[in-house]
Amino acid sequence: SQQGEEDPQALSIQEGENATMNCSYKTSINNLQWYRQNSGRGLVHLILIRSNEREKHSGRLRVTLDTSKKSSSLLITASRAADTASYFCATVWINTDKLIFGTGTRLQVFP
Amino acid sequence: DTAVSQTPKYLVTQMGNDKSIKCEQNLGHDTMYWYKQDSKKFLKIMFSYNNKELIINETVPNRFSPKSPDKAHLNLHINSLELGDSAVYFCASRRGYEENTIYFGEGSWLTVV
Repeated sequence: SQQGEEDPQALSIQEGENATMNCSYKTSINNLQWYRQNSGRGLVHLILIRSNEREKHSGRLRVTLDTSKKSSSLLITASRAADTASYFCATVWINTDKLIFGTGTRLQVFP
Repeated sequence: DTAVSQTPKYLVTQMGNDKSIKCEQNLGHDTMYWYKQDSKKFLKIMFSYNNKELIINETVPNRFSPKSPDKAHLNLHINSLELGDSAVYFCASRRGYEENTIYFGEGSWLTVV
């Protein structure tokens, strides 16, 4: 399968805690992106990290990328109940227009 | 103003029917996609069009036929619907090769009974 994998599949935490999600992929990439999907809604782009970058920040989000291990992580700091959603990593393969999604992590943040 | 809009949002239909889902983007993007999300939330790319031309066709049964009348529209027509076609179908668009962010529609929930 082309699809990347994410772990954990599901994560439950309390408000204020940090949430870490991991993504592994299978081929050489141009960049890796993280998307969020609220229940019953479309996907919303969160952050993009290029293949020559190792870490990127955006507000409470921190993304790392290790191309040697073909893996990435998304850290959400000081989580809020409103962060409850599914989070997907997606990779853009080198020399293609394909954006291939991982299997997703369902995050539940309890108030 | 919705950037990527799909209709209908919900569709319930019987096996064997033919149905279409329409998609329009008002972002001026060159590339449009159809993705399928199954009951396990797996998202798989189905088709990609760039300036009305088919770029990606991911081994989708030929019962699925995308049509792009212009670069702002990418419709999905499905013939002889099967139970396994039940899923959420997402339309998406992006500006072009250098612009990586993809903008998704809200999805079309298709249920085949």
